[in-house]
Amino acid sequence: GAVVSQHPSRVICKSGTSVKIECRSLDFQATTMFWYRQFPKQSLMLMATSNEGSKATYEQGVEKDKFLINHASLTLSTLTVTSAHPEDSSFYICSARVQSTEAFFGQGTRLTVV
Amino acid sequence: TQLLEQSPQFLSIQEGENLTVYCNSSSVFSSLQWYRQEPGEGPVLLVTVVTGGEVKKLKRLTFQFGDARKDSSLHITAAQPGDTGLYLCAGVSQGGKLIFGQGTELSVKP
Repeated sequence: GAVVSQHPSRVICKSGTSVKIECRSLDFQATTMFWYRQFPKQSLMLMATSNEGSKATYEQGVEKDKFLINHASLTLSTLTVTSAHPEDSSFYICSARVQSTEAFFGQGTRLTVV
Repeated sequence: TQLLEQSPQFLSIQEGENLTVYCNSSSVFSSLQWYRQEPGEGPVLLVTVVTGGEVKKLKRLTFQFGDARKDSSLHITAAQPGDTGLYLCAGVSQGGKLIFGQGTELSVKP
């Protein structure tokens, strides 16, 4: 199957700083990427849908100014958590999809804001 | 809003027992997927069911898609400690989004 690489896998940052998470499709071009947030032992909650070359579509309740998404190429989408606070600590996961085929998930990024 | 109700949310069983996880919705999905997730990793796709009434088998795992394409089940026969993990069902909506159920945390004790 296709490979989606997410970086970093773990990050600790100070409250008030910004953190960027990268999601790369390594061996295919992804027209659409999705960003999810997951709390311990809970399911994945879709945050936003990112389409290459256009603005991301955010789910209800997700602050677009806080979670900046950029999908500048067919192999890279980034999620920037701006002015992070401890309540933003979570597991963030991206997935990449090519048109109607299945979505492939990255390994996830564990963000801890101290 | 499309929702998927997954049950049970937690399941702790002994090695060798059978179990079934259910995924129900009031909405119709074009297809439904089952994932398994290990702690600290992304979900890994187990199967996609597309046709109403479809049954797929993956070794000791049996997946069913309801006739109306609103529900699905995952049955594991003779569970092993290696089956321990978080199992997630996800419906594929018309827009291509994955709508996840709440997940089932399975623990199989030796």
